[in-house]
Amino acid sequence: KAGVTQTPRYLIKTRGQQVTLSCSPISGHRSVSWYQQTPGQGLQFLFEYFSETQRNKGNFPGRFSGRQFSNSRSEMNVSTLELGDSALYLCASSLDGQGHTEAFFGQGTRLTVV
Amino acid sequence: GQQVMQIPQYQHVQEGEDFTTYCNSSTTLSNIQWYKQRPGGHPVFLIQLVKSGEVKKQKRLTFQFGEAKKNSSLHITATQTTDVGTYFCAGSQGNLIFGKGTKLSVKP
Repeated sequence: KAGVTQTPRYLIKTRGQQVTLSCSPISGHRSVSWYQQTPGQGLQFLFEYFSETQRNKGNFPGRFSGRQFSNSRSEMNVSTLELGDSALYLCASSLDGQGHTEAFFGQGTRLTVV
Repeated sequence: GQQVMQIPQYQHVQEGEDFTTYCNSSTTLSNIQWYKQRPGGHPVFLIQLVKSGEVKKQKRLTFQFGEAKKNSSLHITATQTTDVGTYFCAGSQGNLIFGKGTKLSVKP
């Protein structure tokens, strides 16, 4: 079966702009989680969506938001971009989320803010 | 908030040597998962431990979950160049909280 698909793979944005990243989970998976990965901080949890509802949220400012559609596809939005938002953004899908079962990661979106 | 600490941050070994990475949580975990991320890749699930004191083996890899369900370890016997990558533990308590990972390099 197809894996987790993230688009775009690479993105360059200017400070102050906004960006939307997309994640298509594995068919049948209802949970999608988003993580920010930077060299110094590792994988930091942004939020988790399950059946179109945000179920958990990490410690990120309100500029980071997300949503999930009825087909479980998820989008993540970052507004008013800052240089520090440059990172690899990973989404992970799982059957029921909350760390109960194996998470399958996408290839990630590499965001560079200049 | 909940934290998962992982040590060491880096480990350089000669091929054939053993390798261990340790994970500690500030709170009791319902389970712990281990992932491997190859350079330039994404994290890939290795295993999940659920029971207190559980030990699981995958060929040269041995995973342990502590009795108090607050710590875990991954041990690789006789490392190979294919073991290169970053190993992450992830504790489950409502959502997956990842340690910062141990980056393993193997000198042939």
